[in-house]
Amino acid sequence: EVQLVESGGGLVQPGGSLRLSCSASGFTFSTSWMTWVRQTPGKGLEWVTTINPDGSTKDFLDSVNGRFTISRDNAKDSLFLQMESLRAEDTAIYYCARDRAYSTLDYWGQGTLVIVSS
Amino acid sequence: QSALTQPPSASGSPGQSVAISCTGTSSDVGAHKYVSWYQQHPGKAPKLILYEVTERPSGVPDRFSGSKSGNTASLTVSGLQAEDEADYYCVSYGVPRMFGGGTKLTVL
Repeated sequence: EVQLVESGGGLVQPGGSLRLSCSASGFTFSTSWMTWVRQTPGKGLEWVTTINPDGSTKDFLDSVNGRFTISRDNAKDSLFLQMESLRAEDTAIYYCARDRAYSTLDYWGQGTLVIVSS
Repeated sequence: QSALTQPPSASGSPGQSVAISCTGTSSDVGAHKYVSWYQQHPGKAPKLILYEVTERPSGVPDRFSGSKSGNTASLTVSGLQAEDEADYYCVSYGVPRMFGGGTKLTVL
């Protein structure tokens, strides 16, 4: 059974940092593109960032570029999102998803909630 | 870049068909076949229901179908059932990957 389990969300003050993790199982993580997608409570979905299997290619949403870093540990089947200089508008549920090809997100985690507030 | 344009809402009675559009530009939806659709029930993670415009993942009923013309992709749900009531999102490949704003489908 495929599972993606996010963790690391929580309440953080504006300007603060947070590191999200996503633990994968049930598929070959090391050969999979992986993506983070976020959803503002009550609103729509927004692509955040994608990483290729060996970590050499990363794409970012303009509004998070330079503040967020995506990385992975293929030995531990884990994906990470390091978020710096957090803003109120980063408040959202963050989902990790497997990108089987060209933004076809076939497996999703249950999401982890990040709240940026003072 | 702006999000892909979807109608905010759609509705139909059980057994009817409903179509949801997803309009982009010649740089995204119109540029290739990599448009996918996701279904999201309240409080749940999104679920892939169509990819590469017309392809259905294993386990997705054939009541869900897709098409594309120019810069607009469409999802059609035939034989509406109560469990189809959900939010639906389209996505186009690109940098950035573009999501639609979402359509709330109501089964009357």
